[in-house]
Amino acid sequence: DQQVKQNSPSLSVQEGRISILNCDYTNSMFDYFLWYKKYPAEGPTFLISISSIKDKNEDGRFTVFLNKSAKHLSLHIVPSQPGDSAVYFCAATSGGYQKVTFGTGTKLQVIP
Amino acid sequence: DAGVIQSPRHEVTEMGQEVTLRCKPISGHNSLFWYRQTMMRGLELLIYFNNNVPIDDSGMPEDRFSAKMPNASFSTLKIQPSEPRDSAVYFCASSQDSFNQPQHFGDGTRLSIL
Repeated sequence: DQQVKQNSPSLSVQEGRISILNCDYTNSMFDYFLWYKKYPAEGPTFLISISSIKDKNEDGRFTVFLNKSAKHLSLHIVPSQPGDSAVYFCAATSGGYQKVTFGTGTKLQVIP
Repeated sequence: DAGVIQSPRHEVTEMGQEVTLRCKPISGHNSLFWYRQTMMRGLELLIYFNNNVPIDDSGMPEDRFSAKMPNASFSTLKIQPSEPRDSAVYFCASSQDSFNQPQHFGDGTRLSIL
């Protein structure tokens, strides 16, 4: 039972345009959400996070939006750059505990 | 600063053999996690430790899998006997034991069981 779902396995975007990666979750107890980025042959690296008390968090070109009623979050990358080409994992946790549930990932390709 | 160090980076072995994956967490981190990545299921948490004590091993697929953390700077994940369906990339991650601290991942071990 996938509690964190990333329904788009891949996404292609032109350089300079916006990339939008989506994530849905089913567990209403989740209260903290994270995005990780993964390059080939490397481990995932933390990108940005958001607490359930917020609906938006921004860090440079990266913005995460949270819609609790829809149990949906999205990661926006503006403008997209070729170096952003990677697999992006959505993740969620609850109660501050360290156990994190990951989605299956979305492979982003930014075309120069 | 040294990150999470995993060894070996690649392991190819025959079915039935014992496999041992190793992990050195970041110094000062007292939570350690083992994950398995597959195409179908993404990143699955196998087990995690806090202060060297296993907290949740509900993700360990079966008795063939075992994990230990004898001290704060070393952990192992063992598969005995190994099977072809165990082929995957295994990641180790560590974090500080504070509220919502992100995990830091190693570069993984790509395991192939023939």
